[in-house]
Amino acid sequence: EDKVVQSPLSLVVHEGDTVTLNCSYEVTNFRSLLWYKQEKKAPTFLFMLTSSGIEKKSGRLSSILDKKELFSILNITATQTGDSAVYLCAVLRGSEKLVFGKGTKLTVNP
Amino acid sequence: GAVVSQHPSWVICKSGTSVKIECRSLDFQATTMFWYRQFPKQSLMLMATSNEGSKATYEQGVEKDKFLINHASLTLSTLTVTSAHPEDSSFYICSARDRGAGARSNQPQHFGDGTRLSIL
Repeated sequence: EDKVVQSPLSLVVHEGDTVTLNCSYEVTNFRSLLWYKQEKKAPTFLFMLTSSGIEKKSGRLSSILDKKELFSILNITATQTGDSAVYLCAVLRGSEKLVFGKGTKLTVNP
Repeated sequence: GAVVSQHPSWVICKSGTSVKIECRSLDFQATTMFWYRQFPKQSLMLMATSNEGSKATYEQGVEKDKFLINHASLTLSTLTVTSAHPEDSSFYICSARDRGAGARSNQPQHFGDGTRLSIL
């Protein structure tokens, strides 16, 4: 059975801290791994990772994939209160189906 | 960027009512759209894959007669929750991928804003 496991499930930090969110997976017919940010409504796309070892970066966020060890991390540096959200990791299978993890709820306190 | 619009954003209705939710791709064509359900503090669970011009593909455990899907055009898919009951209360989200990007290209799915359904 396909599995996407995120850790930690919940994280509380202070503004300015750096956080690392983890995602491990066991999925058949892997195509890509995606990170989404979900605030009150639907998820917004952050990154899509297909190749191992290539870091993707967008401002204070960065992510990398390890296809040998079957995991990915999402880093957020110099966190701000606006980063508070649930971060979802999802794996895209060959059938175009997305399998989601349960998410990491990040709370950034001022 | 690709925009997916979902309507309505919130529905409250009595038990036994049927509710229709629309999902539109605004600036691209989508041969395939996906319908998800999210219960509180849970992740998104795929319910069905909506295919333009053909029958939807439902995930195991999802009743196709209860959740009717119609994908009549390249920009619109609808989900109808028939005879809704309180246990159907949930957050329903659709997503779509740009058909123009090619079937095997690595373009992400883009999500609508979701519909919060509350059945009394």
